[in-house]
Amino acid sequence: AQSVAQPEDQVNVAEGNPLTVKCTYSVSGNPYLFWYVQYPNRGLQFLLKYITGDNLVKGSYGFEAEFNKSQTSFHLKKPSALVSDSALYFCAVSDGDQAGTALIFGKGTTLSVSS
Amino acid sequence: EAGVAQSPRYKIIEKRQSVAFWCNPISGHATLYWYQQILGQGPKLLIQFQNNGVVDDSQLPKDRFSAERLKGVDSTLKIQPAKLEDSAVYLCASSLVWTPQETQYFGPGTRLLVL
Repeated sequence: AQSVAQPEDQVNVAEGNPLTVKCTYSVSGNPYLFWYVQYPNRGLQFLLKYITGDNLVKGSYGFEAEFNKSQTSFHLKKPSALVSDSALYFCAVSDGDQAGTALIFGKGTTLSVSS
Repeated sequence: EAGVAQSPRYKIIEKRQSVAFWCNPISGHATLYWYQQILGQGPKLLIQFQNNGVVDDSQLPKDRFSAERLKGVDSTLKIQPAKLEDSAVYLCASSLVWTPQETQYFGPGTRLLVL
């Protein structure tokens, strides 16, 4: 069965510092990995995804994520955090070997960026 | 391009009452999803449509939840009768096609409170 773990409920970082939000996954087939962000009273906004190819994926708002197959991880990163990055971040996985499978989400990590 | 539209944004009902949520996906998107997001958790898939056919409703509590997607465009999710544990945000998402690597785009959600 597919699963996603986001080990940190909250990540705190000062503005201008680099940030990392961790995600590990478990899937029987080929993993397709996604990051979404959720602002208060808003739906989920797509940030980036890994399907195949380069392990470093670049996405919206300066975010990037690195796929590591041996560690089954897909950590979200940004070189310099902004206060406006404060939000709830979700990692999700689907099984590339099963057509039509739904996304399985982690429980989310709250990112708090202080000025 | 218009995003996924949902209504109402908020709903408060008493237990044992019924409620319905509406979703209009991005134009041209064949696949539509309904997710339930309980506070402190990631979204969980309830039902997935491909055009107007159901492809996955394995996690839909069918004794009280129902959904339809007439004409393969907009969709309605109904709860009857509601229970306290149904309090959650109900998210609608759509994607262009029904493949595991396809990005899902989410609406703003409907926040339901059952008293």
